[in-house]
Amino acid sequence: KQEVTQIPAALSVPEGENLVLNCSFTDSAIYNLQWFRQDPGKGLTSLLLIQSSQREQTSGRLNASLDKSSGRSTLYIAASQPGDSATYLCAVSTNAGKSTFGDGTTLTVKP
Amino acid sequence: GAVVSQHPSWVICKSGTSVKIECRSLDFQATTMFWYRQFPKQSLMLMATSNEGSKATYEQGVEKDKFLINHASLTLSTLTVTSAHPEDSSFYICSARWTGNYGYTFGSGTRLTVV
Repeated sequence: KQEVTQIPAALSVPEGENLVLNCSFTDSAIYNLQWFRQDPGKGLTSLLLIQSSQREQTSGRLNASLDKSSGRSTLYIAASQPGDSATYLCAVSTNAGKSTFGDGTTLTVKP
Repeated sequence: GAVVSQHPSWVICKSGTSVKIECRSLDFQATTMFWYRQFPKQSLMLMATSNEGSKATYEQGVEKDKFLINHASLTLSTLTVTSAHPEDSSFYICSARWTGNYGYTFGSGTRLTVV
């Protein structure tokens, strides 16, 4: 059974800092890995999707890496802003489409 | 492309009533849809898998008579929470798998509050 762990559970940083969120999974037989953002009381916003054959994806200040063999992914946020404050979820999926989510990392960026 | 429209985005209902949540694939055919729920301060957990034209497969611990899933067409799946109670208050989200492809897309989610 796939298990996804996200560390840390919560993170507070001053504005402007670069930061890394971690995601690990137990079964490396994944189809893809996706990072989401969830604001309080809101839905999911997809940030980055990495296919199993890829090593990383970038979008603006965000960079996600994937090391499938070791069961790890990182989400790097450069020059953090208060607007980045949210919960970040990592999800891995099988080729059948089933997704397993981590518990998330709650990020607070202080002005 | 590959957009899944989920409605409503939020709903408040009275205890004992039923609520229907729709997920519609706008520009692709979805043979399989997945329904997830998220209780407060917990992660998203798979509730059930639905395949077009057949009965849904529910995960252990999910009451199939309470959470009715219909996937009558390749573009629409619905989740009906029957006789809702406050403990059913949660965030529900669907994802749809593209026909003939291993791609999939998430809806935006529905926040249900039962009062």
